[in-house]
Amino acid sequence: EVHLVESGGGLVQPGGSLRLSCAASGFTFSSFAMYWVRQAPGKGLEWVSTISGSGGSTSYAVSVKGRFTVSRDTSKNTLYLQMKSLRAEDTAVYYCAKTTAVTALYWYCDLWGRGTLVTVSP
Amino acid sequence: DIQMTQSPSALSASVGDRVTITCRASQSISRWLAWYQQKPGKAPKLLIYEASTLEGGVPSRFSGSGSGTEFTLTISSLQPDDFATYYCQQYDTYSTFGQGTKVEI
Repeated sequence: EVHLVESGGGLVQPGGSLRLSCAASGFTFSSFAMYWVRQAPGKGLEWVSTISGSGGSTSYAVSVKGRFTVSRDTSKNTLYLQMKSLRAEDTAVYYCAKTTAVTALYWYCDLWGRGTLVTVSP
Repeated sequence: DIQMTQSPSALSASVGDRVTITCRASQSISRWLAWYQQKPGKAPKLLIYEASTLEGGVPSRFSGSGSGTEFTLTISSLQPDDFATYYCQQYDTYSTFGQGTKVEI
């Protein structure tokens, strides 16, 4: 069965750092582009970052560019999001999501994890 | 950046009603649009991709149409399980979600 399980969320002070992980199973992890999408409390979905199947191409939303770094370890079937210089407005549930894109960087997401909550507060 | 605007932001409907949600893009995105359903506390679920292709396992009462800048999601006969928030997503250039449409009883 296909699964995505996020971890690493928690409470962090403004200016702090956090690394999220997303463990994938049930599919060939290295074949597909992966997304990070976040949802602030009571708000809508916001695309955060994308990484290609090979890991060679990445893209970021303007709101996180220069502060967040997406990566993947195909040997561990795990996706990461390194977040630094965190701000209150980064408080959200962070979802990792699988696309069906083999070559494209931007695509729709056919599988989502349950999310992990990141709270940025003093 | 491409902006996605959904309308309405919320609607009230009854079981059996036909419901239509609109998503407008600030520039043409061809047919690179997906629709998702999200229930409280849950992850989004893919319903439709490429504007009108139904994801496997999704009931046929859901349908999508449109191209260019205007798209619609239609639920032909609303069922109790359909009360949720619906989002559109463009994946033509970068990726952007609409602000969501809450379908309430």
